[in-house]
Amino acid sequence: DGGITQSPKYLFRKEGQNVTLSCEQNLNHDAMYWYRQDPGQGLRLIYYSQIVNDFQKGDIAEGYSVSREKKESFPLTVTSAQKNPTAFYLCASSKDSLLNQYFGAGTRLSVL
Amino acid sequence: AQSVTQLDSQVPVFEEAPVELRCNYSSSVSVYLFWYVQYPNQGLQLLLKYLSGSTLVKGINGFEAEFNKSQTSFHLRKPSVHISDTAEYFCAVGTSNTGKLIFGQGTTLQVKP
Repeated sequence: DGGITQSPKYLFRKEGQNVTLSCEQNLNHDAMYWYRQDPGQGLRLIYYSQIVNDFQKGDIAEGYSVSREKKESFPLTVTSAQKNPTAFYLCASSKDSLLNQYFGAGTRLSVL
Repeated sequence: AQSVTQLDSQVPVFEEAPVELRCNYSSSVSVYLFWYVQYPNQGLQLLLKYLSGSTLVKGINGFEAEFNKSQTSFHLRKPSVHISDTAEYFCAVGTSNTGKLIFGQGTTLQVKP
């Protein structure tokens, strides 16, 4: 079945550690997105990529990094510079920027 | 810049009653509008979208929404809710020149038996 796969489902980060969240899609979508979700704040855009080897910062990019080396993959690294990383992270993709986005099931990141 | 405001953070309603979840937006250009649903610990699923054409949009699970340009609103309605509709609902707005969606803060629909 086509879809978006995020892994792991749960992730724990130690102080000073970088962690990477995986997002893979087999929908042949060009655009991919990373959102952060905190209670009562909706979804906030971290980074997005409209084409391979290109990506743009969203509204809260500080402390995060991404790469888009393959069309199917858009991993997100939460660096040690992100001082409050505890949140639910959602990856999405769309055929183009004008249409609806398809979401993965999310990764819940907590700090040990 | 665009923005989205969901006017209610929580909406409690009894089963089989009608419900309306309110969404207002602001934008200086033409917009595309979306409603998504999120069940606990899951991703978002598209309910319906307005791109152009008829202002009354029908979606999945019996939901519909009406685009009102003069009032800059896109309220979501369902004539009779079920317990299974209990979830968080997000309104989102996009434009052709930004390549991204702006989400509202979400409305929690609580359907009581």
